[in-house]
Amino acid sequence: DQQVKQNSPSLSVQEGRISILNCDYTNSMFDYFLWYKKYPAEGPTFLISISSIKDKNEDGRFTVFLNKSAKHLSLHIVPSQPGDSAVYFCAAIDTGAGSYQLTFGKGTKLSVIP
Amino acid sequence: EPEVTQTPSHQVTQMGQEVILRCVPISNHLYFYWYRQILGQKVEFLVSFYNNEISEKSEIFDDQFSVERPDGSNFTLKIRSTKLEDSAMYFCASSPVYEQYFGPGTRLTVT
Repeated sequence: DQQVKQNSPSLSVQEGRISILNCDYTNSMFDYFLWYKKYPAEGPTFLISISSIKDKNEDGRFTVFLNKSAKHLSLHIVPSQPGDSAVYFCAAIDTGAGSYQLTFGKGTKLSVIP
Repeated sequence: EPEVTQTPSHQVTQMGQEVILRCVPISNHLYFYWYRQILGQKVEFLVSFYNNEISEKSEIFDDQFSVERPDGSNFTLKIRSTKLEDSAMYFCASSPVYEQYFGPGTRLTVT
């Protein structure tokens, strides 16, 4: 039962262009969403988050958009840099559940081509 | 910048043996977690710990698993009798509230 889905296993983007990573969720109780970046042999690194009361959050080159009615969020990286090449995970929390456990998607491997 | 640390980075053990994975969370965080990632699969929640007790655990976290916070800094995951299918990367995380910060992981190999 995949409650958080990242349907694109991989994405290639030219350096300087925009990278758009997508994520869908099925559990309507999720109300807080996060994006993590992961390099091989390292732990996930927190990038950016968004509460369900917002539809956009921006931090430097990273912007997350949330469409609650579609149960869809996306991460935009502008401009993309070679150092952004990594696996990106979408994660969600049901903050009312008592534990703030993360439910992860399977990840999207981003390759930024110089 | 404070970070979560984990030891060892790699642990090889024989089936049936006990292992203890150690973590030092970020000092002012209140919530602590263990996750695992089997090769090629997604990161899965194991257990959360708050106020010196387990707040939630997944189906994976059966009687073979236990967690402790023996002092003010360390947070440990014990697997009593390891199985081949326990081979995975184990990540510790801590959070002030929602945003969780992960350690570099321990690669557990059960032979």
